[in-house]
Amino acid sequence: GQQLNQSPQSMFIQEGEDVSMNCTSSSIFNTWLWYKQDPGEGPVLLIALYKAGELTSNGRLTAQFGITRKDSFLNISASIPSDVGIYFCAGQFNDYKLSFGAGTTVTVRA
Amino acid sequence: DTGVSQDPRHKITKRGQNVTFRCDPISEHNRLYWYRQTLGQGPEFLTYFQNEAQLEKSRLLSDRFSAERPKGSFSTLEIQRTEQGDSAMYLCASNPRWGTTNTGELFFGEGSRLTVL
Repeated sequence: GQQLNQSPQSMFIQEGEDVSMNCTSSSIFNTWLWYKQDPGEGPVLLIALYKAGELTSNGRLTAQFGITRKDSFLNISASIPSDVGIYFCAGQFNDYKLSFGAGTTVTVRA
Repeated sequence: DTGVSQDPRHKITKRGQNVTFRCDPISEHNRLYWYRQTLGQGPEFLTYFQNEAQLEKSRLLSDRFSAERPKGSFSTLEIQRTEQGDSAMYLCASNPRWGTTNTGELFFGEGSRLTVL
């Protein structure tokens, strides 16, 4: 199956910082999605991208669908404490199945 | 709450026992998915239904696993003769149809965490 590589694996944020994470694949995707998961909960959809080159925002979140269709990034601007959690990218090649990355864990810097 | 609902949220069982999880999708979502998630990993696809038809099963879904969606609404996932390696979070998701196609957006439930002792 398709393998997605997310980086970084983990990051520390300080309130007010902008943070960025990305996802690359060895295969092309038709759709890229970004999810956030809090401990003990299911993933929550943040942003969906449907076209190569598309740049989409949702509040302080901005994500882009790479031109090659093999990568995507997610930016969080002016981070706040509730941004902590695990962020997953997911790619969809056909019309029914998502493949997920291993996640980027965001923690508040003490 | 009109989101995806899963029950139970937590299940602890002894090796060899059978367990069943239930998922109620968002109303009118024609597709329903089961994923499995282990610690430190992203969700992995297990199977999906379009209405009542089970259209694909992952190789991860051994013959001890069976899923049903008899009336095209709720679904059950049963694991027979559980093994310690079955310990994981089992996630259900549903997906809406727009016109003649399904969107790529999966909406997940809160998951059912299984611990096999």
